Amino acid sequence: EVHLVESGGGLVQPGGSLRLSCAASGFTFSSYWMHWVRQAPGKGLVWVSGIYNDGSSSMSVDSVKGRFTISRDNARNTVYLQMNSLRSEDTAVYYCTRDKLGYLDVWGKGTTVTVSS
Amino acid sequence: EIVLTQSPATLSLSPGERATLSCRASQSVGTLFAWFQQKRGQSPRLLVYDASNRATGIPARFSGSGSGTDFTLTISSLEPEDFAVYYCQQRGDWPWTFGQGTKVEIK
Repeated sequence: EVHLVESGGGLVQPGGSLRLSCAASGFTFSSYWMHWVRQAPGKGLVWVSGIYNDGSSSMSVDSVKGRFTISRDNARNTVYLQMNSLRSEDTAVYYCTRDKLGYLDVWGKGTTVTVSS
Repeated sequence: EIVLTQSPATLSLSPGERATLSCRASQSVGTLFAWFQQKRGQSPRLLVYDASNRATGIPARFSGSGSGTDFTLTISSLEPEDFAVYYCQQRGDWPWTFGQGTKVEIK
């Protein structure tokens, strides 16, 4: 069965850093693009960042460019989101999701990031 | 970025009724378009991709239509488990964007 399990969330002060991880299982991880999508409390979904299957290229929404970096380790079946210079507006549940031919077909349960002093 | 506007914000219906949800894109995305369902406390679930194709395991009462800038998700006869929030999403251009959501609630 296909699974995505996020970890690494928590409470961090403004300006701080966190690294989120997403462990994949049940499919050939290296064949799929992967993405992070976030959802602020009571709000809608926002695509954050995506990475090619071989890690050769990535894209991010403007609001996180220069602060967040997506990466992957295909040997460990894991995708990461390094988040630096965190702001209160980054507070959200962060979902890891698989990209099947351009569609987000499998989602993890999410990990919660709270940025607050 | 492409802005997706969903309407209505809330749809109040009874089980067995037909639900029609709309999403308009600020510029054409062809059929590079999807619909998701999210129940309270759960992750989103892919319902429809390529504007009109049901995802694996999605019941036939869900159907999507449209192309270009105007898209529709129809639930032909609401089941109790269908009351949730629905999001549209485009992948026609970066950044990928979602609509703000339509809540389908029990009347």
